[in-house]
Amino acid sequence: AQSVTQPDIHITVSEGASLELRCNYSYGATPYLFWYVQSPGQGLQLLLKYFSGDTLVQGIKGFEAEFKRSQSSFNLRKPSVHWSDAAEYFCAVGGDSSYKLIFGSGTRLLVRP
Amino acid sequence: DAGITQSPRYKITETGRQVTLMCHQTWSHSYMFWYRQDLGHGLRLIYYSAAADITDKGEVPDGYVVSRSKTENFPLTLESATRSQTSVYFCASSGNQETQYFGPGTRLLVL
Repeated sequence: AQSVTQPDIHITVSEGASLELRCNYSYGATPYLFWYVQSPGQGLQLLLKYFSGDTLVQGIKGFEAEFKRSQSSFNLRKPSVHWSDAAEYFCAVGGDSSYKLIFGSGTRLLVRP
Repeated sequence: DAGITQSPRYKITETGRQVTLMCHQTWSHSYMFWYRQDLGHGLRLIYYSAAADITDKGEVPDGYVVSRSKTENFPLTLESATRSQTSVYFCASSGNQETQYFGPGTRLLVL
């Protein structure tokens, strides 16, 4: 069955530290992969996406993610976290003709001053 | 440049009442989606639509009804609201690629 796992429910990092949020997926076909961010009380905003090509993708707000087919992973990274990055982050996978996405349960990022 | 809007943003209702949540997009996207977001469950798909007059069930459709008479609108109706339908509801739309764009959400409380 298709699924997305975000193993970390919460992550706390200090401002200025590096960040890596994990995402593992199970998908039968070639996946389309996404990271979304949700600030408190807001909708979801697309950070970046991978469809094909270069496995390292750049997104908005200084985020990047790397697709590793052998590990079925699409981890999100940022070299230096800012307090404004505190939010919930969702990984999602799609790729069939229905345009449906399967979302992970999310990782809440807390940033220490 | 409205994008995708949802109304109302907040709603309090009572069990057994009918409630309709509205979703409107200005991009002429073919695909539209309704999700509910609950603690510990992430986003779960309720219904989706590939085009006007074409709708299909998602993961958690029970107790909900949708329609899509116009491309830009995708209302979600709770025919007889229950407490378990207290949630945050998000509408999304998608054009000719997989990327979904989300509305700001509707917070629904069923008493």
